[in-house]
Amino acid sequence: AQKITQTQPGMFVQEKEAVTLDCTYDTSDQSYGLFWYKQPSSGEMIFLIYQGSYDEQNATEGRYSLNFQKARKSANLVISASQLGDSAMYFCAMRSSGTYKYIFGTGTRLKVLA
Amino acid sequence: NAGVTQTPKFQVLKTGQSMTLQCAQDMNHEYMSWYRQDPGMGLRLIHYSVGAGITDQGEVPNGYNVSRSTTEDFPLRLLSAAPSQTSVYFCASKLLAESTDTQYFGPGTRLTVL
Repeated sequence: AQKITQTQPGMFVQEKEAVTLDCTYDTSDQSYGLFWYKQPSSGEMIFLIYQGSYDEQNATEGRYSLNFQKARKSANLVISASQLGDSAMYFCAMRSSGTYKYIFGTGTRLKVLA
Repeated sequence: NAGVTQTPKFQVLKTGQSMTLQCAQDMNHEYMSWYRQDPGMGLRLIHYSVGAGITDQGEVPNGYNVSRSTTEDFPLRLLSAAPSQTSVYFCASKLLAESTDTQYFGPGTRLTVL
């Protein structure tokens, strides 16, 4: 069975500093995709970044990067130069290529301090 | 483009009542899905569809029905509401062949069952 684990229920980071949000996953499939979503207090789900299991390079999108370590089955999100607007809930998710089912983690609540 | 729209935004039901949560998208996405979000649980997949006339169960399908008669619409029916169905419901859609496998989420429906 597939599973996503986010072990940090809450994190604090000082404005302008970098922060890493942890995500580990479990799957027996070789082909899969990993995602991070942001959910601000307003409630909408915002797609941040995607990493395919066969991608050789770590994905980057602006201040977001995904630290993909396949052997460790981890897909940590790194946010550089944190901003107050980064305060939100962050969800890690995955989908194996042989299924249309997406699995989400329980989320990490990030608070950026001024 | 309105993206993914959901109605209503809020709903209060009594136990045993039935209702339909509406979801529509105007992006010609083949894939549509329904999730529920409960505190501490992340998002859990209820049902999904890969095209008109094709639906399948997700992780937590009991108590919910879906149908997909058009590409645009994917309604979620609660047959006999129970307090355990109190949750925030999100609809999402995506192109099947999109390279980053990105799902686009609607704004959510907050449902309370008394």
